[in-house]
Amino acid sequence: DGGITQSPKYLFRKEGQNVTLSCEQNLNHDAMYWYRQDPGQGLRLIYYSQIVNDFQKGDIAEGYSVSREKKESFPLTVTSAQKNPTAFYLCASSNQRGTEAFFGQGTRLTVV
Amino acid sequence: AQKITQTQPGMFVQEKEAVTLDCTYDTSDPSYGLFWYKQPSSGEMIFLIYQGSYDQQNATEGRYSLNFQKARKSANLVISASQLGDSAMYFCAMREGTPQKLVFGQGTRLTINP
Repeated sequence: DGGITQSPKYLFRKEGQNVTLSCEQNLNHDAMYWYRQDPGQGLRLIYYSQIVNDFQKGDIAEGYSVSREKKESFPLTVTSAQKNPTAFYLCASSNQRGTEAFFGQGTRLTVV
Repeated sequence: AQKITQTQPGMFVQEKEAVTLDCTYDTSDPSYGLFWYKQPSSGEMIFLIYQGSYDQQNATEGRYSLNFQKARKSANLVISASQLGDSAMYFCAMREGTPQKLVFGQGTRLTINP
């Protein structure tokens, strides 16, 4: 079955540590996105990428980094520079024409 | 400036009634797309419906239809014959630009009452 897989589902991080969230898709989609969602809020765009080895900052990129070495994969690193990283992180992908866009199940990150 | 505006933070509707969720957007790109998603309490984002800016007819998917008024930059979601399982957050989103960018509104929390 085609889809988007995010792992892990839950992640706990100590303050000052970097953590990497995984996002893999087998839909042959070109574009991939990372969003942050805080409780009761909408989705805010962190980074997005339409082709391999190229990506753009979204609205809240500070404290985050990404890579796009393969079409199928778009990992997000939450760095120690991110002041308030506790949130729900969602990854999405869309086709070349932008007529479909699907999401992974999300990763809940908690700083302890 | 807000690209996607959802003006209804919460809505309460009786079961079996139709409901309209509002969404207005702002773009200067002639080619764009509009999406609606449902997010139940589990957190997953469920795709509901898509409308392209060049599509002549309003999109429909089962009980969901999109009331697309291009001149007014409006893309309201209509759910016919609402069910208890429709209770969730609903998000409107717009895809625009090259590279593609997908941005979301703040959402509307829909509650269906029995």
